[in-house]
Amino acid sequence: QSVLTQPPSASGTPGQRVAISCSGSSSSIGSNTVNWYQQLPGTAPKLLIYNNNQRPSGVPDRFSGSKSGASASLAISGLHSEDEADYYCAAWDDSLNGVLFGGGTRLTVL
Amino acid sequence: EVQLVQSRAEVRKPGESLKISCKGSGYSFISNWIAWVRQMPGKGLEWMGIIYPYDSDTRYSPSFQGQVTISADKSITTAYLQWSSLRASDTAMYYCARQSSSKEYDYWGQGTLVTVSS
Repeated sequence: QSVLTQPPSASGTPGQRVAISCSGSSSSIGSNTVNWYQQLPGTAPKLLIYNNNQRPSGVPDRFSGSKSGASASLAISGLHSEDEADYYCAAWDDSLNGVLFGGGTRLTVL
Repeated sequence: EVQLVQSRAEVRKPGESLKISCKGSGYSFISNWIAWVRQMPGKGLEWMGIIYPYDSDTRYSPSFQGQVTISADKSITTAYLQWSSLRASDTAMYYCARQSSSKEYDYWGQGTLVTVSS
């Protein structure tokens, strides 16, 4: 049972903007930074956003992250067909003394 | 170039033991925690635990404590995940990942598929 809650699915058409939410608690997102990962079919996860809103080198600025209180959000603007993937939020949890992953959101580009 | 290269896919029978590996290169292996992450077929990511190769300090998720052992050999820049008695429910893809300063996983191995079947 994931303690970081994401919607199981999201969808959009090419060029649209979509947002994926991630809800945690005071011991997870409320106290620590949020990271986002993209997993394309059949591949290892890839770091997409770290420290709430930072993009690693090579990640397009169409991807952005935000955090407020114990919740976070990943936004993808100008959707591309290649953005179709599973997206996971993650954060350290002070009670677990480890990392929590959200259950994942499957993004479909219609 | 930072790389984490994992050992090949494995097929085992229930009750057998197994040790899979993750070899780091292109950075100071002792300076970053290495995590292990499970992904069961068609499911999401689950954090299993982490190890600090400098002194082998290890932390486990409560869900995996006592079920697996995480270790590392800094002399050969390799981390390990092992089972003493596999179950069918251990069938999954296992990833290692390097933990960076904001506890993000910035580099991942390619994954090791473990299949446990009689």
